[in-house]
Amino acid sequence: ILNVEQSPQSLHVQEGDSTNFTCSFPSSNFYALHWYRWETAKSPEALFVMTLNGDEKKKGRISATLNTKEGYSYLYIKGSQPEDSATYLCAFPGNTGKLIFGQGTTLQVKP
Amino acid sequence: DGGITQSPKYLFRKEGQNVTLSCEQNLNHDAMYWYRQDPGQGLRLIYYSQIVNDFQKGDIAEGYSVSREKKESFPLTVTSAQKNPTAFYLCASSIRLGTTDQPQHFGDGTRLSIL
Repeated sequence: ILNVEQSPQSLHVQEGDSTNFTCSFPSSNFYALHWYRWETAKSPEALFVMTLNGDEKKKGRISATLNTKEGYSYLYIKGSQPEDSATYLCAFPGNTGKLIFGQGTTLQVKP
Repeated sequence: DGGITQSPKYLFRKEGQNVTLSCEQNLNHDAMYWYRQDPGQGLRLIYYSQIVNDFQKGDIAEGYSVSREKKESFPLTVTSAQKNPTAFYLCASSIRLGTTDQPQHFGDGTRLSIL
């Protein structure tokens, strides 16, 4: 059974703090690793799809890194803002293409 | 604007009743999915469809049924056999099943509660 783990489960930071969280996934048979942001009352939206070991992607103040050999990805948020408050999901596609989701990390940024 | 529309946003079910959740997409995607979210758990796959007139059970299909008569539409029926239907339901689509380097697109979800 493929397992995707995210930590921490929740995080509270002050506005302006930088933060990061982790997604762990099976290191064998790697295809890709997806990150999604899910704001309250909205639909989850894709942040990054990472496919190569050592990949680093960036979108504004958010960036992600990937280590396929050890099976983890980090998501970093630099200078957190209240609008960054959301649940961040990572997902690992198995060999059938179906996504296996982690439990998510819920970030609360206090002004 | 292309996207996925789920309706209704909130749904209440009486004991013994079947209810159907609607999901429509205009992204011209072949693959569609239904997920269930419960507190403290990741999204779990109920059913998926890779093409019209085809669908497969996901990890928690018991008590649910689907149809895929049109490319745009993938309704989910929660039957009376589903003993714990109270949850948040998300519909998603992707270009094709197995294109792992492409993200899924999601609707806004339907919250189902038992009366």
